[in-house]
Amino acid sequence: GGIITQTPKFLIGQEGQKLTLKCQQNFNHDTMYWYRQDSGKGLRLIYYSITENDLQKGDLSEGYDASREKKSSFSLTVTSAQKNEMAVFLCASSIAAGDTEVFFGKGTRLTVV
Amino acid sequence: AQSVTQPDARVTVSEGASLQLRCKYSYSGTPYLFWYVQYPRQGLQLLLKYYSGDPVVQGVNGFEAEFSKSNSSFHLRKASVHWSDSAVYFCVLSVTGNTGKLIFGLGTTLQVQP
Repeated sequence: GGIITQTPKFLIGQEGQKLTLKCQQNFNHDTMYWYRQDSGKGLRLIYYSITENDLQKGDLSEGYDASREKKSSFSLTVTSAQKNEMAVFLCASSIAAGDTEVFFGKGTRLTVV
Repeated sequence: AQSVTQPDARVTVSEGASLQLRCKYSYSGTPYLFWYVQYPRQGLQLLLKYYSGDPVVQGVNGFEAEFSKSNSSFHLRKASVHWSDSAVYFCVLSVTGNTGKLIFGLGTTLQVQP
C-alpha cells in the first residue's frame, strides 16, 4: 500500500501572509487533488492535477495557487491568508481522474491569527 | 446540477443497535457513488463504492449500502454498531466522464453510545 504525506500538520499564519502546504504520495498515482474542509460545509475542491505539470481549477480556486512539478508531489499556496480563517486542507490522489477510488492524506490544519 | 444530500447532520445510536445513514443524490446520468469515513484528526477512508450491478454493495467493517435509482439514494447500513464506528461519514458522487471532481455531502456525524 501507499501513503499520502502532508506537511506541515499544523500551520499558523498571519493575515496577508503567503503560506505553502505540501503533499507527497508514493502510490504512483497520476491524479492529485487539494480539498478544503470547513466545519458544516463538507469538502470543496480547490485544485487538481491529472498529470505532472498539469493544473485544473476546482470550485474554490480563487485565493490559491498550486504546483505539480513532479508526479509524486502537489503543493498548494494560500496567496494571502485571511484573518480568523480556520480550515483543514486535504490532499488526495487517485490512479486516474474520474471514477476511481481517491486516497486522502491526514490533512493540514490552518489557523490564521 | 449535481448534488449530494445527507439529511441527518448527527445520528446517535446505542452500541449493538442497527444503523442507517441516509444519502440522496441528484444527477441525471449514471452515478458512481462512494461512502467515506473520517475518524478524528484523520483523512478520509473509503468504506465502499458502487459502480454498477448488484445494488447492494458490501464494504469494510460490516458496512453495506444499497443503491436505488428510482429513489436517487445510496443509504449506508450496518447491522450492529460498535463504539469505534463513531466518526463522520460522507456520501460522495463521482460524475460519469468528469475529469476528477467528486461531489461531497456535508457528512453525518455518528456517535455510538456505550
